[in-house]
Amino acid sequence: SQQGEEDPQALSIQEGENATMNCSYKTSINNLQWYRQNSGRGLVHLILIRSNEREKHSGRLRVTLDTSKKSSSLLITASRAADTASYFCATDAGASGSRLTFGEGTQLTVNP
Amino acid sequence: DTAVSQTPKYLVTQMGNDKSIKCEQNLGHDTMYWYKQDSKKFLKIMFSYNNKELIINETVPNRFSPKSPDKAHLNLHINSLELGDSAVYFCASSSRGHQGGNTIYFGEGSWLTVV
Repeated sequence: SQQGEEDPQALSIQEGENATMNCSYKTSINNLQWYRQNSGRGLVHLILIRSNEREKHSGRLRVTLDTSKKSSSLLITASRAADTASYFCATDAGASGSRLTFGEGTQLTVNP
Repeated sequence: DTAVSQTPKYLVTQMGNDKSIKCEQNLGHDTMYWYKQDSKKFLKIMFSYNNKELIINETVPNRFSPKSPDKAHLNLHINSLELGDSAVYFCASSSRGHQGGNTIYFGEGSWLTVV
C-alpha cells in the first residue's frame, strides 16, 4: 500500500498566514523529502530531512520529522499567493536509495 | 537550460494505437525514472534505470516498455493504448547518493489522453 499519507488533502489560507501540512508513513526510512507541484507542471524538490534529523529549515520552510511517530510536517511561514500548489511528501526507504514513494499530496491555496 | 525534458507535452490518441514519450536529462545523473500521475494526483513509480540497466519495474502492463539508449535518455513506449492509460507521465532523474539522499529532478510531464 502507499507509503505516505498527507493531511489535510486541501488547505485554503490568506496571504501572510502560515500553512502546515502533515505526512505520515508506515515503514522505516532513510530520509523524507517534500516536493511542490504547481498546476500543470512537474514536481520540484523543496527540502530533504534525514532520519537522524528532527528539524530542518530552508527560507520560509520548516520541516520536522518524528521517526517514533512516523510523521513529518511542512510549515510554510508568511505564505504568498505564489505558494499555491500541491505539496507532496516522499519517503526513501530503500537501501540503494533509488526509490521514492510519494504521498497523496496536499493542495494549498493561498488567497491574496 | 532544461534539466529534464520530455516530449511531447500533450498527446491525444485513439485506443489501440502505439505511442512513445521521449525523455532526456542534461544533469549528468546516472538514474532515470518514469512516474505515472493519475487524475487524483497520485504519483506512482513505473520504472527506474541506472546506467542503462533496469533496476525497478513495478507492476506495469507489458504494453509499457522503457528503453534507455544511454544514461541520459529514457524513452517510454506504450503499445495498444487503453482508456485507463490516460494520465500524466513524468520522467525524472537523480544521482545516487546526492546530498546523502536521492533527490529527484522531474520533467514537466506528458499529458496522455486516450480516446
